[in-house]
Amino acid sequence: DAGVTQSPTHLIKTRGQQVTLRCSPKSGHDTVSWYQQALGQGPQFIFQYYEEEERQRGNFPDRFSGHQFPNYSSELNVNALLLGDSALYLCASSLLEDYYNEQFFGPGTRLTVL
Amino acid sequence: AQTVTQSQPEMSVQEAETVTLSCTYDTSESDYYLFWYKQPPSRQMILVIRQEAYKQQNATENRFSVNFQKAAKSFSLKISDSQLGDAAMYFCAYRSALLKTSGSRLTFGEGTQLTVNP
Repeated sequence: DAGVTQSPTHLIKTRGQQVTLRCSPKSGHDTVSWYQQALGQGPQFIFQYYEEEERQRGNFPDRFSGHQFPNYSSELNVNALLLGDSALYLCASSLLEDYYNEQFFGPGTRLTVL
Repeated sequence: AQTVTQSQPEMSVQEAETVTLSCTYDTSESDYYLFWYKQPPSRQMILVIRQEAYKQQNATENRFSVNFQKAAKSFSLKISDSQLGDAAMYFCAYRSALLKTSGSRLTFGEGTQLTVNP
């Protein structure tokens, strides 16, 4: 049973560019959350998708957007990249009906903005 | 809004000894979940232990146990018989039990880097 997978592993972009990160949830999961983890800090919640809709959003600008597909996989898009967007981006999946709604994390995508 | 604070950026412990990592949180909710996650250099966040706020009994998972003090809003993690593989960044996290309003979003602390010395 494959866990949460993310692609790519690493990515280097320049300021002003746009980037798309991808996440495939753990088999059987229907909810995907995205987190941004700056170096040396704890993850910060970006948003959460369920039934192809954004259900919750953290304190991130509109440059951050996402999508969830019918197969529950998800994309995170960031437009007009800033140096401060350099971080590890973590995807987590869960099953909404699960009692604990435990989130399983992927290995992350390391984004470097030059 | 909920906040989670970990006041120990770094901790170290000798192999086979016991170490306690501290975490405090702030919330106005009465029902919630608390978690400790481990993040090794591989970056994969792994759940170590969870605690439901309405349960008075402290959670235990093998060598890992918590001291949950709801009134003090404190949630510490004790690692017994520390092993070299326990070396990692440890994060304390909070989740509301109100899924309809808060979803399953996690609020994390800043982390504590644990070093295990042989």
